[in-house]
Amino acid sequence: DQQVKQNSPSLSVQEGRISILNCDYTNSMFDYFLWYKKYPAEGPTFLISISSIKDKNEDGRFTVFLNKSAKHLSLHIVPSQPGDSAVYFCAASRRGGATNKLIFGTGTLLAVQP
Amino acid sequence: EPEVTQTPSHQVTQMGQEVILRCVPISNHLYFYWYRQILGQKVEFLVSFYNNEISEKSEIFDDQFSVERPDGSNFTLKIRSTKLEDSAMYFCASIQAEAKNIQYFGAGTRLSVL
Repeated sequence: DQQVKQNSPSLSVQEGRISILNCDYTNSMFDYFLWYKKYPAEGPTFLISISSIKDKNEDGRFTVFLNKSAKHLSLHIVPSQPGDSAVYFCAASRRGGATNKLIFGTGTLLAVQP
Repeated sequence: EPEVTQTPSHQVTQMGQEVILRCVPISNHLYFYWYRQILGQKVEFLVSFYNNEISEKSEIFDDQFSVERPDGSNFTLKIRSTKLEDSAMYFCASIQAEAKNIQYFGAGTRLSVL
């Protein structure tokens, strides 16, 4: 049941350049999307989110774009820093649902090279 | 900054034994979750808990699993008779209120079933 997909298992970027991480979803009932960052031996850390009523949300170096018609979202990190190296998970939920459970993608390992 | 705390960080058990994984959610949070991540796979929803009862559970959460909030602060996940395939990272998460959809995760408990 792959309702949320991250098709790139890994991405390597030079420090200072832009990192673009992509995520696709299939369930049109999802109305809230989140990006989490995860280091080894730690839990997922919330990064940024977007509601389905918006198409862009920005927070410092991080911007999330949502294309509802394509059921696609992306996370842009600019400029990328070595400390951004981690696994990034896209997650989706239905805020009107019973529980707001999160459905996660498989993650993308970002490596930012100094 | 308040955080979700999970203990132990690593639990080793023999197949067939009972284990209890413990979580202390953020103090003013009202909705609680358990997720798991089998090595190399995505983070999967197990169960959500609100107002002292389960609000939703996945098909993974069978009769061997139970959750409890015994004292208003701890939130526990019990596996009655562990199987080899229960080996995974187990993450606890919480949110403040239904309208606030950002789930905050603990660092996880690594469960190893031998």
